[in-house]
Amino acid sequence: EVQLVQSGTEVKKPGESLKISCQGSGFSFTSYWIGWVRQMPGKALEWMGIIYPGDSETRYSPSFQGQVTISADKSITTAYLQWSSLKASDTAMYYCARGEVVVAATPGWFDPWGQGTLVIVSS
Amino acid sequence: DIQMTQSPPSLSASVGDRVSITCRASQGISNSLAWYQQNPGKAPKLLLYGASKLESGVPSRFSGGGSGTDYTLTISSLQPEDFATYFCQQYYSTPQTFGQGTKLEIK
Repeated sequence: EVQLVQSGTEVKKPGESLKISCQGSGFSFTSYWIGWVRQMPGKALEWMGIIYPGDSETRYSPSFQGQVTISADKSITTAYLQWSSLKASDTAMYYCARGEVVVAATPGWFDPWGQGTLVIVSS
Repeated sequence: DIQMTQSPPSLSASVGDRVSITCRASQGISNSLAWYQQNPGKAPKLLLYGASKLESGVPSRFSGGGSGTDYTLTISSLQPEDFATYFCQQYYSTPQTFGQGTKLEIK
């Protein structure tokens, strides 16, 4: 079964650092993209960025460039999303998802999705 | 970035109705469009990709169409489990972008 399993809920204070994870199984981890999507409470999905674990090529949305870091460890089939200094506005659900490889090796649609990691940032 | 404008933001309908949701891209995206269904508290689920290709296991009452900048998701006969929020996503170029969502509610 193809699946992505994300790490659990995090409650942090502003200014703290955080790294959440997404472990893939049931597929060749180095042959697909892994993307990250933010969903603030009651809001739309926001595409944050994506990584190709095969060669670590990473692309960010301008809205999130410099705010987060996406990485992957292919030896343990795990992708990561990290913050160096959290803000209250980072409070949201974060999803990882497997990105299909489409024309010219670019990322395509997302399937499947992880179950989501809730990040709460509050003083 | 390519902007995706999804409409309507919400829709009330009854079981058995036929409904359509539209996404308009700010530039042509050559059918590089996916549709997702999200139930409350759950992760999104892929319904269609390539604008009109049905994901395995998705009921045939879901269909997609369109070209260029304008795309449509149609549910031919609403079932109780279809009342959810729907999102479109363009993957023509990065950054990929999502529509704002359509919440489908029971009338």
